[in-house]
Amino acid sequence: SQKIEQNSEALNIQEGKTATLTCNYTNYSPAYLQWYRQDPGRGPVFLLLIRENEKEKRKERLKVTFDTTLKQSLFHITASQPADSATYLCALVYSSASKIIFGSGTRLSIRP
Amino acid sequence: GAGVSQSPSNKVTEKGKDVELRCDPISGHTALYWYRQSLGQGLEFLIYFQGNSAPDKSGLPSDRFSAERTGGSVSTLTIQRTQQEDSAVYLCASCWDNEETQYFGPGTRLLVL
Repeated sequence: SQKIEQNSEALNIQEGKTATLTCNYTNYSPAYLQWYRQDPGRGPVFLLLIRENEKEKRKERLKVTFDTTLKQSLFHITASQPADSATYLCALVYSSASKIIFGSGTRLSIRP
Repeated sequence: GAGVSQSPSNKVTEKGKDVELRCDPISGHTALYWYRQSLGQGLEFLIYFQGNSAPDKSGLPSDRFSAERTGGSVSTLTIQRTQQEDSAVYLCASCWDNEETQYFGPGTRLLVL
């Protein structure tokens, strides 16, 4: 069965540094991959989407890469701020809309 | 212009009781999803509704779980004869037909004693 691994359960970064989160998957590549942010007690909020044929996507301080050879996506937050502290989830979306597989998330903490 | 809403926000029940969880999607969204999130875990897909098509129930963990979507809008997830392992946050998400971004509700936190 398809599996997703997000690099670590928790990541602590100094404010101003770049935070890099990893999402690895097994078996076949998805049609596209999404990244979500989840704050405590709230539902996930969509951040970025990257398709199978795209290498990189940017949105403000966020950057996502997708390497189908390595079966890996990297999520970068540059110039990190304490307000970026949250859990970040990656999700693989396959051809059928119902086939969405979420990772368990990485809890990111940005210290002042 | 409200987002996805879910009720109740918290539910405590005794083992063996039935519970109903409600989801009000964004108006006009044709697709609706239910997920379950246990502590420290990712989201587990439960069921997917799209327009008038038959729902995809492939993620429901047992026949104690069922869901309905009335009039293409509000959805209810029912768990019969609840067990302690059903304790989790139940999240609902909706989106436009063929849209790739899901909009999540705040979830219902279910605790089965």
